[in-house]
Amino acid sequence: GQNIDQPTEMTATEGAIVQINCTYQTSGFNGLFWYQQHAGEAPTFLSYNVLDGLEEKGRFSSFLSRSKGYSYLLLKELQMKDSASYLCAAMDSNYQLIWGAGTKLIIKP
Amino acid sequence: SQTIHQWPATLVQPVGSPLSLECTVEGTSNPNLYWYRQAAGRGLQLLFYSVGIGQISSEVPQNLSASRPQDRQFILSSKKLLLSDSGFYLCAWSMTENTEAFFGQGTRLTVV
Repeated sequence: GQNIDQPTEMTATEGAIVQINCTYQTSGFNGLFWYQQHAGEAPTFLSYNVLDGLEEKGRFSSFLSRSKGYSYLLLKELQMKDSASYLCAAMDSNYQLIWGAGTKLIIKP
Repeated sequence: SQTIHQWPATLVQPVGSPLSLECTVEGTSNPNLYWYRQAAGRGLQLLFYSVGIGQISSEVPQNLSASRPQDRQFILSSKKLLLSDSGFYLCAWSMTENTEAFFGQGTRLTVV
């Protein structure tokens, strides 16, 4: 079956760095997406990886290893506004997104 | 620029009543359109998607239906709501099937 695993909740300190891991199993693969979702709001797109390696966008970076079925989202210089859920989603061979349940990130001052 | 509008933001409906949620996209043509439901602590569940007018694919059998009467309009409906239909409903669009999706504000539906 198809599956996405990511931690349910993580806690980090303002100004620090946090890495949110995601492992996936899909029938075929057409890329890995990360979204940010603040409580009660819609998800917003953060990053897309289809090739192995690291993609950097300002304070956020996303890494992909297709051979390991593994991705992570790295958040640097954490700010209080980064408190949100982070959703990992893998696209299968039929271009359907398989979504993880999300990782709730709590930032403490 | 492209925008997506979804309404209403919140809705409380009695069991057995009908439902109609509307979503419209502006600033693009022939978008792929999606309806998702998000339950607490679970991943987004794809309900319906559409690649063109009148073309609807259903992912989950249930008492919901979707329609796309115009290129940039997507409607989620039910004839009789169940308690289990409560949840957070999200409309989304994408340029193609393998590009990022952009979400509407969501509708918090509570069936009582």
